[in-house]
Amino acid sequence: ETGVTQTPRHLVMGMTNKKSLKCEQHLGHNAMYWYKQSAKKPLELMFVYSLEERVENNSVPSRFSPECPNSSHLFLHLHTLQPEDSALYLCASSQVTGNYEQYFGPGTRLTVT
Amino acid sequence: TQLLEQSPQFLSIQEGENLTVYCNSSSVFSSLQWYRQEPGEGPVLLVTVVTGGEVKKLKRLTFQFGDARKDSSLHITAAQPGDTGLYLCAGLLSNDYKLSFGAGTTVTVRA
Repeated sequence: ETGVTQTPRHLVMGMTNKKSLKCEQHLGHNAMYWYKQSAKKPLELMFVYSLEERVENNSVPSRFSPECPNSSHLFLHLHTLQPEDSALYLCASSQVTGNYEQYFGPGTRLTVT
Repeated sequence: TQLLEQSPQFLSIQEGENLTVYCNSSSVFSSLQWYRQEPGEGPVLLVTVVTGGEVKKLKRLTFQFGDARKDSSLHITAAQPGDTGLYLCAGLLSNDYKLSFGAGTTVTVRA
């Protein structure tokens, strides 16, 4: 049990849909992350929120929009996605001091049709 | 360009055998972490190493950080099917706040 939950676990959406991914951490951490994991590719860092401020936006297309209303919750809003956006989307949290050890959620498996 | 190179990419062994996974870079890290990811789940932190030459043991898993803090290895003794998974190394550069992940090594232990 990692203390980081993600919903939904699976999502199938059309290219014209709008959906949101939700992440919640119960570890008292003050940084949260979105990663994309595609087959045969390393983990790609998408966004970082530190103390509820976005500190990283790693050249992610604008069809992905993050939101961090407080230190425990993180959302990823999706709209007009492409089939190549199909992947496992992982949320993680950490402290903003020390070694930034990541605690991951189970991920949302997204399929764009 | 990948900051951390992991090798091998795939490893399939019989139960009871030993294996070693490598994580190499030309960069110096302030710390290096190892994670294991099982199918359908997120990565789980196994260990963090911070001192050059450091060796840490977690039951049958032995982690070593290179003297120059540029590389690391993970050795599993007498592997079991429960060790099956994707092993990821991740490094933290000095004065940085985000980890750089390797591409991972997929380990399969056959019963």
